Amino acid sequence: GENVGLHLPTLSVQEGDNSIINCAYSNSASDYFIWYKQESGKGPQFIIDIRSNMDKRQGQRVTVLLNKTVKHLSLQIAATQPGDSAVYFCAETGGAQKLVFGQGTRLTINP
Amino acid sequence: NAGVTQTPKFQVLKTGQSMTLQCAQDMNHNSMYWYRQDPGMGLRLIYYSASEGTTDKGEVPNGYNVSRLNKREFSLRLESAAPSQTSVYFCASGFRGPSYGYTFGSGTRLTVV
Repeated sequence: GENVGLHLPTLSVQEGDNSIINCAYSNSASDYFIWYKQESGKGPQFIIDIRSNMDKRQGQRVTVLLNKTVKHLSLQIAATQPGDSAVYFCAETGGAQKLVFGQGTRLTINP
Repeated sequence: NAGVTQTPKFQVLKTGQSMTLQCAQDMNHNSMYWYRQDPGMGLRLIYYSASEGTTDKGEVPNGYNVSRLNKREFSLRLESAAPSQTSVYFCASGFRGPSYGYTFGSGTRLTVV
């Protein structure tokens, strides 16, 4: 069945360093992978997505990498800032317009 | 442009009581979704509506019903609330195009005692 999970539940980084958040998925048929950011008390906020026919996509300070060979997705945040503190979820979708979410990784920024 | 609006933001129910969570979007999206999020967990899909007039079960539909009232509104009903339904409920809307544009509401925190 569909399963999206995360390698690490928590991640602490120094302000200014780069952050890498990882995600494993199991559904080879998924055609989109999405990263969401959820701040405390708020709903998830779309960050970036990537289609299954791509292996890299860049946004503002964020890069998503997709490795279909090992079914691995990562989110890289450059020059991490205090405002990046949040829980990050990966999600996959394929058919019927449904999103399946992973457990989430809490990113903490140390000053 | 409000995006996705959920009401109420907080609710406490007694076991066996019923209530309806309201959701409205103003982005002309075809698809709408209801998710629940339990502490330390990801979001699990309860029900979704791919277009006006259609609804389908998600991963955890038991104990819930939904109504797609029109293109803008998608409500979630708990007929007989149970403590296991204590959770944060999120409504989302989206479309399927060059990029997925799922937008989430701010959530309804429900406690069943």
